[in-house]
Amino acid sequence: DGGITQSPKYLFRKEGQNVTLSCEQNLNHDAMYWYRQDPGQGLRLIYYSQIVNDFQKGDIAEGYSVSREKKESFPLTVTSAQKNPTAFYLCASSREDIQYFGAGTRLSVL
Amino acid sequence: QKEVEQDPGPLSVPEGAIVSLNCTYSNSAFQYFMWYRQYSRKGPELLMYTYSSGNKEDGRFTAQVDKSSKYISLFIRDSQPSDSATYLCAMRRTGFQKLVFGTGTRLLVSP
Repeated sequence: DGGITQSPKYLFRKEGQNVTLSCEQNLNHDAMYWYRQDPGQGLRLIYYSQIVNDFQKGDIAEGYSVSREKKESFPLTVTSAQKNPTAFYLCASSREDIQYFGAGTRLSVL
Repeated sequence: QKEVEQDPGPLSVPEGAIVSLNCTYSNSAFQYFMWYRQYSRKGPELLMYTYSSGNKEDGRFTAQVDKSSKYISLFIRDSQPSDSATYLCAMRRTGFQKLVFGTGTRLLVSP
């Protein structure tokens, strides 16, 4: 089955801890994206990557980091500098105009 | 002012009703318009995709774009309880990968 796999589905972060959210796609898409979704705020772009080994900051990149070492993978690290990390995180990939989304990871703070 | 405005709802309708969901936007450079459906605790899935102005129909769903008014709509005919979800509009400019999303409208269709 082709698609975008995000893991884990639920993640808990302790104070001062970095956590990494996984995103893998087997759609052979060049571009990948990370969004954060909060109630009443829609989707906000954190980072995006159009090709391997290259990525750009989105609207709310502070406190997050990414890497793009392989076409299939675009992990997101939520660092301890992100003071309000509780949210639903969505990964997407795109071919041409259309973005396809994974099932999301819900991150909570302990 | 947000670039894209969308009423958060909830919008409650009985089964079989015609549903109208809308977004307004301020950037006249937007050329590509999308509607996504998102079930609770799931990722959004693309429902409709249109370029520039006009109508597009797919089964029970019709998307309309009125660029002169900066207004887009999604109509759902013969609504079903399974249509209960949050509907997100999204749009982008030519040459830009970045999508700008509305906040989403929560739709509840009761049997």
